Amino acid sequence: GESVGLHLPTLSVQEGDNSIINCAYSNSASDYFIWYKQESGKGPQFIIDIRSNMDKRQGQRVTVLLNKTVKHLSLQIAATQPGDSAVYFCAENEGRGSTLGRLYFGRGTQLTVWP
Amino acid sequence: EADIYQTPRYLVIGTGKKITLECSQTMGHDKMYWYQQDPGMELHLIHYSYGVNSTEKGDLSSESTVSRIRTEHFPLTLESARPSHTSQYLCASSDTGTTGTQYFGPGTRLLVL
Repeated sequence: GESVGLHLPTLSVQEGDNSIINCAYSNSASDYFIWYKQESGKGPQFIIDIRSNMDKRQGQRVTVLLNKTVKHLSLQIAATQPGDSAVYFCAENEGRGSTLGRLYFGRGTQLTVWP
Repeated sequence: EADIYQTPRYLVIGTGKKITLECSQTMGHDKMYWYQQDPGMELHLIHYSYGVNSTEKGDLSSESTVSRIRTEHFPLTLESARPSHTSQYLCASSDTGTTGTQYFGPGTRLLVL
């Protein structure tokens, strides 16, 4: 089956710095990727997504980069704030043309922001 | 903001009891999912549904069962709870588009004594 994983289980940054969270995926047929943020005691919250025909997408303070050659996904958070402290998951779908709607999640990276 | 709800949020129950975790969404989504997640760990899909009267088992074997009688409602039942069922259970839904973005409820934290 698909395997989605993150390179680092934890990341600590100082408030105001930029954060980069990485993710590797194994299914070359996946055509859609999502980053979720999960705060303690809550369900995952959608942050940003990207389709496989793009290599970069920007949101508010967040940027997702997709490198299909090496099957790598990253989430960049600009000017990290204490409220960004959470576990971040990447997820990929099953692949092109699939209507099943299943997602495969990585292990998550715990981001801790220090004042 | 996704309109998906789970009750109860927290549940402490003794071994052998039957429990039902409720999940409802008001977005009219066809697809719904149940995940099991231990603290800080990845999400494991245990059940999903493509629509009314459609249910499938997920990747992680689970002793729970689900039903989908109404589009908006996807309850999960454990006939006889055991300490090994202690975990967080997350419900999600997605629309019929092919992207598969799922929207999650707040989760139910279950502790079986």
